[in-house]
Amino acid sequence: GAVVSQHPSRVICKSGTSVKIECRSLDFQATTMFWYRQFPKQSLMLMATSNEGSKATYEQGVEKDKFLINHASLTLSTLTVTSAHPEDSSFYICSAELPGQATDTQYFGPGTRLTVL
Amino acid sequence: RKEVEQDPGPFNVPEGATVAFNCTYSNSASQSFFWYRQDCRKEPKLLMSVYSSGNEDGRFTAQLNRASQYISLLIRDSKLSDSATYLCVVNMGDSGGGADGLTFGKGTHLIIQP
Repeated sequence: GAVVSQHPSRVICKSGTSVKIECRSLDFQATTMFWYRQFPKQSLMLMATSNEGSKATYEQGVEKDKFLINHASLTLSTLTVTSAHPEDSSFYICSAELPGQATDTQYFGPGTRLTVL
Repeated sequence: RKEVEQDPGPFNVPEGATVAFNCTYSNSASQSFFWYRQDCRKEPKLLMSVYSSGNEDGRFTAQLNRASQYISLLIRDSKLSDSATYLCVVNMGDSGGGADGLTFGKGTHLIIQP
């Protein structure tokens, strides 16, 4: 149980285009999902916290107009990288919080590797 | 089969006790191995790398068994501040994973009780 999927797993796009990444909790409903970014040789960095039915909370230094997050249902959050540029090339990973537990446990998706040419 | 598998716990352990976590990985070509620690609603942070000969960092000892594709983390004299989720992370190289081929396990939750 507690499976989180992401789509696509890899994407290559031209500079200036927008890319949408989906994060789904397959067998549970997640009111809270998280988006992380990992650059080479660095650890994961939290970008934003996505709450179902409300606006996402962005970490300092993350442009909310560039990284659009939509959490329209309890099983789906999307991250759209708008007008992507080569410096946005990174590994994007989401996690979903399993509710109803004594502890806040996050389950990670497999990640999406974005390459902007 | 899941690529990196861990017992999710939670492990409830009294302060001062020794606790061990295990992790198995499916890809025999995996190149490097790590333990990350994640506090509630924060991003995971690297705790220590895992070397073939085994390595120790203070109260933490990590071991790798390539033949069995098995990694372990031992915490001695546990402290309240050790309460966190411990993620087993494997670098599978070009065969998949993140920017560096990192694949994260689901984590093992540890609760140290006073």
